[in-house]
Amino acid sequence: TQLLEQSPQFLSIQEGENLTVYCNSSSVFSSLQWYRQEPGEGPVLLVTVVTGGEVKKLKRLTFQFGDARKDSSLHITAAQPGDTGLYLCAGEGAGSYQLTFGKGTKLSVIP
Amino acid sequence: EADIYQTPRYLVIGTGKKITLECSQTMGHDKMYWYQQDPGMELHLIHYSYGVNSTEKGDLSSESTVSRIRTEHFPLTLESARPSHTSQYLCASSETGAPETQYFGPGTRLLVL
Repeated sequence: TQLLEQSPQFLSIQEGENLTVYCNSSSVFSSLQWYRQEPGEGPVLLVTVVTGGEVKKLKRLTFQFGDARKDSSLHITAAQPGDTGLYLCAGEGAGSYQLTFGKGTKLSVIP
Repeated sequence: EADIYQTPRYLVIGTGKKITLECSQTMGHDKMYWYQQDPGMELHLIHYSYGVNSTEKGDLSSESTVSRIRTEHFPLTLESARPSHTSQYLCASSETGAPETQYFGPGTRLLVL
């Protein structure tokens, strides 16, 4: 069974601060997705990373896939209240069409 | 933006009732999924389909059933709802090919009294 551990589980920061959340596993993934989910809504795709060591940027968000494709990080620069939400990572196992989801990091950005 | 829809968004129903949660996508995706998510918990896969007339059970055991008669439609049915079925149900779809990027609907929040 492939497991994805996300840390921290909860994070509360002031507007303008920087933060990094992590997604770790002992398994290798073919690809990894990051989603943001707001209460009562479905997850919204932020990014897909495929290549080990890959870095992708989405405005103030920077995503990195580990060299061994077992872990990933999400860095937010100058967080804003609109960044508040549950951040989920999901890994695609080799040879599988299914995703394994982490439990998520619940981020609160205080104005 | 993904075009995947779920109805109803919220449902409060009594024990023993039969319910069907609707999910439709207009992207022509072959693969569709149903997940169950409790507050603050991870998503658990309960059903999936890789195409018309193809359905499989996911990792989490569920008393629900699904059907896939048309590519765009993947309804989930509970024959007799129980309080233990109270949860959020999320539908997703993806296209064939790598990487496996899934697009989610807004979810149905179900409360069984």
